[in-house]
Amino acid sequence: DTGVSQDPRHKITKRGQNVTFRCDPISEHNRLYWYRQTLGQGPEFLTYFQNEAQLEKSRLLSDRFSAERPKGSFSTLEIQRTEQGDSAMYLCASSEGGVAHQPQHFGDGTRLSIL
Amino acid sequence: KQEVTQIPAALSVPEGENLVLNCSFTDSAIYNLQWFRQDPGKGLTSLLLIQSSQREQTSGRLNASLDKSSGRSTLYIAASQPGDSATYLCAVYVPKANQAGTALIFGKGTTLSVSS
Repeated sequence: DTGVSQDPRHKITKRGQNVTFRCDPISEHNRLYWYRQTLGQGPEFLTYFQNEAQLEKSRLLSDRFSAERPKGSFSTLEIQRTEQGDSAMYLCASSEGGVAHQPQHFGDGTRLSIL
Repeated sequence: KQEVTQIPAALSVPEGENLVLNCSFTDSAIYNLQWFRQDPGKGLTSLLLIQSSQREQTSGRLNASLDKSSGRSTLYIAASQPGDSATYLCAVYVPKANQAGTALIFGKGTTLSVSS
């Protein structure tokens, strides 16, 4: 168990640019979650995959955001035309499938800074 | 809509003190409640998970309780140490209509500072 891995750890970009983050979940976990955390706040749910299927999206996920998990393993989160308000820590978590309420295990996140 | 509140927002204690962190939630229809620790600039480390049918869970110096009917949980830390300094987050799993997954709803956290 190598834990949830996220890349990059930090991303600095200019407003209007596109960015893509990657998450590698714990290998036997078929559920994958993305969250966003701003300073002084708890994480907020963005989207959820079971295997390759994206089963749930928060209203926070505007049409500039897209997430994929093409082979049911790693996942990518892309933000197009970034805005100042997108600056945040983006956290990925994974959990086992089967019973709905398995604990989620988090990565160290990708911190996005928009100049 | 489920809301999670954590009190206090910040807490400073001297080393060796026992302390209690509080978490409240507005809707008792939860699967379970999870306490996390977050160090600055890091992700979340799971500390304890209490199923909705349970009353408490213990791990080392940590004890978490759950009173689902009143919408409250506490995290008790015994004999605090400087290494316990971090932000502690409480989160509840809320059931979704299609039962295909659940969402974690987080509080804003309590930032703990333990001085030596």
